[in-house]
Amino acid sequence: NAGVTQTPKFQVLKTGQSMTLQCAQDMNHEYMSWYRQDPGMGLRLIHYSVGAGITDQGEVPNGYNVSRSTTEDFPLRLLSAAPSQTSVYFCASRPGHNTEAFFGQGTRLTVV
Amino acid sequence: AQSVTQLGSHVSVSEGALVLLRCNYSSSVPPYLFWYVQYPNQGLQLLLKYTSAATLVKGINGFEAEFKKSETSFHLTKPSAHMSDAAEYFCAVSATGANSKLTFGKGITLSVRP
Repeated sequence: NAGVTQTPKFQVLKTGQSMTLQCAQDMNHEYMSWYRQDPGMGLRLIHYSVGAGITDQGEVPNGYNVSRSTTEDFPLRLLSAAPSQTSVYFCASRPGHNTEAFFGQGTRLTVV
Repeated sequence: AQSVTQLGSHVSVSEGALVLLRCNYSSSVPPYLFWYVQYPNQGLQLLLKYTSAATLVKGINGFEAEFKKSETSFHLTKPSAHMSDAAEYFCAVSATGANSKLTFGKGITLSVRP
């Protein structure tokens, strides 16, 4: 059972480039989320989804796009990368509301 | 709206000493509360959770936490620290209801001195 899988693990982008961070889960969880982790800031919610076809903004959504066409996948798109988006990104899934989240291993993104 | 406050960013204890990591929450509805641990260069792992059953919750690796509604607190404790407990710890809250989001505190780094 793979759980939550994120790819890539590391990425370096130039300012203005676009890319997609991939997230897949094999637990049939309805809820999926993207967080970014920065030193001293904890985890901040970027976007989340409560089911296929349903997404909503979190605390820091600007510069990011998401879609949820299947239960399994929840990709995060950076439209035009900026140095302020240098961070560690975590994808998480939950069976439903009020349940714990299961996390991927993270993607470390550096924008130069 | 819901939020979590973890006072202090770093706690240092000696091996064998009591570990106490503080968490206070704010929620307009009954909360569900969680503690996660993150080891270097890894994802987050669930330590324990409060889901409105027993107020004293036991988790993995000897950790436990007590939900105190009157103090809006959910502090994490362990009677005797081990070197392997050195990590970053996050408290999180989820308000009851559909579409509830999981909101994290800023985290506390625990160091264990030999």
